[in-house]
Amino acid sequence: DSGVTQTPKHLITATGQRVTLRCSPRSGDLSVYWYQQSLDQGLQFLIQYYNGEERAKGNILERFSAQQFPDLHSELNLSSLELGDSALYFCASSVSGGLPSGYNEQFFGPGTRLTVL
Amino acid sequence: GEDVEQSLFLSVREGDSSVINCTYTDSSSTYLYWYKQEPGAGLQLLTYIFSNMDMKQDQRLTVLLNKKDKHLSLRIADTQTGDSAIYFCAESFYSGAGSYQLTFGKGTKLSVIP
Repeated sequence: DSGVTQTPKHLITATGQRVTLRCSPRSGDLSVYWYQQSLDQGLQFLIQYYNGEERAKGNILERFSAQQFPDLHSELNLSSLELGDSALYFCASSVSGGLPSGYNEQFFGPGTRLTVL
Repeated sequence: GEDVEQSLFLSVREGDSSVINCTYTDSSSTYLYWYKQEPGAGLQLLTYIFSNMDMKQDQRLTVLLNKKDKHLSLRIADTQTGDSAIYFCAESFYSGAGSYQLTFGKGTKLSVIP
């Protein structure tokens, strides 16, 4: 058990809908990352938050957004869903986002499997 | 941009050694990582190596780093059926604004034949 929790475990929805995925980082970790894992694209970095502020953006679509709350949990919002958004979505957390040494061990949650029909 | 390449499949017999290879592009990477993903689970850090090291050994795991060729390998000695999983290579890079990111390869699926 990594200490990172994600809910829900599975989500089935229809095209055009909007969903929210939730992540609670390990106790004490300030940084949260969101990844999308699909068979063809592998593990793609979406976005990072550090202590409530957005720090970095990766291959995140404009239809997707995220936020990190004062209690450090994070939510990933996916809207106008398309069939191609079906994937595993992982949240990971780290103590300091790699600062100051560059060592950036990330602890992964079990993922949310999203199926868009 | 940063890119990490690794072969997609590897099959070995139980008791043999497994070697998983990876190439990366960012020569300024400070740390390189190996993660393991078991079916239905998230990724779990197996081991890492700092970029000024050539080799790191941790029980059955040996990591070799050739910085000149930007080549990383993971050797698992005495491979067991419980080692069957997907193994991801990842490089760390500084993306600015006080942020370090990881770029992952697509993963190597290791199948261990009893």
